[in-house]
Amino acid sequence: ETGVTQSPTHLIKTRGQQVTLRCSSQSGHNTVSWYQQALGQGPQFIFQYYREEENGRGNFPPRFSGLQFPNYSSELNVNALELDDSALYLCASSRGAASETQYFGPGTRLLVL
Amino acid sequence: AQRVTQPEKLLSVFKGAPVELKCNYSYSGSPELFWYVQYSRQRLQLLLRHISRESIKGFTADLNKGETSFHLKKPFAQEEDSAMYYCALKGGNTPLVFGKGTRFSVIA
Repeated sequence: ETGVTQSPTHLIKTRGQQVTLRCSSQSGHNTVSWYQQALGQGPQFIFQYYREEENGRGNFPPRFSGLQFPNYSSELNVNALELDDSALYLCASSRGAASETQYFGPGTRLLVL
Repeated sequence: AQRVTQPEKLLSVFKGAPVELKCNYSYSGSPELFWYVQYSRQRLQLLLRHISRESIKGFTADLNKGETSFHLKKPFAQEEDSAMYYCALKGGNTPLVFGKGTRFSVIA
């Protein structure tokens, strides 16, 4: 069983640029959730995708958007990057939107200069 | 609003000492509570959840609705318990809400 993978592992961007982060869900999982983890903080929910549809969103502006593909992999897109977007971005997959157990990827560390 | 508070940012105990990592929550309904752990250079993983009432790696946690707490306990700390611990809450159809975490170290 393949675990959750994320790419890239690290990324450096400048203010105003756009970024796309990728996540491959664990085999058999149809739900992907994205989290932002700033330094010294716990993960904060961005949004969730279930069967290719957004299924819940946290307190993040519209410049944070996402996609889920038929194979249940997912992308997180952030437009007009700001310095405060610098963080670890975590993807978690689960077997269903209401599943209690989420399996986390290793994360993508984004630095915005 | 849902909120999870982990009052200790850092906690160190000697090997063999009892462990208690505190977690308090705020939620008006019936919550589901979890403890996640992140060992050095590893990904975040589920340690235990209150609904299972299980003991994992010697850790237990009891949901106390009166005190709105879900403290993580272990009778005797081991060096391999050193990690970052996060308490998390899920209410109904709402997403997971995490606390800020406690960095736990066991002194040999």
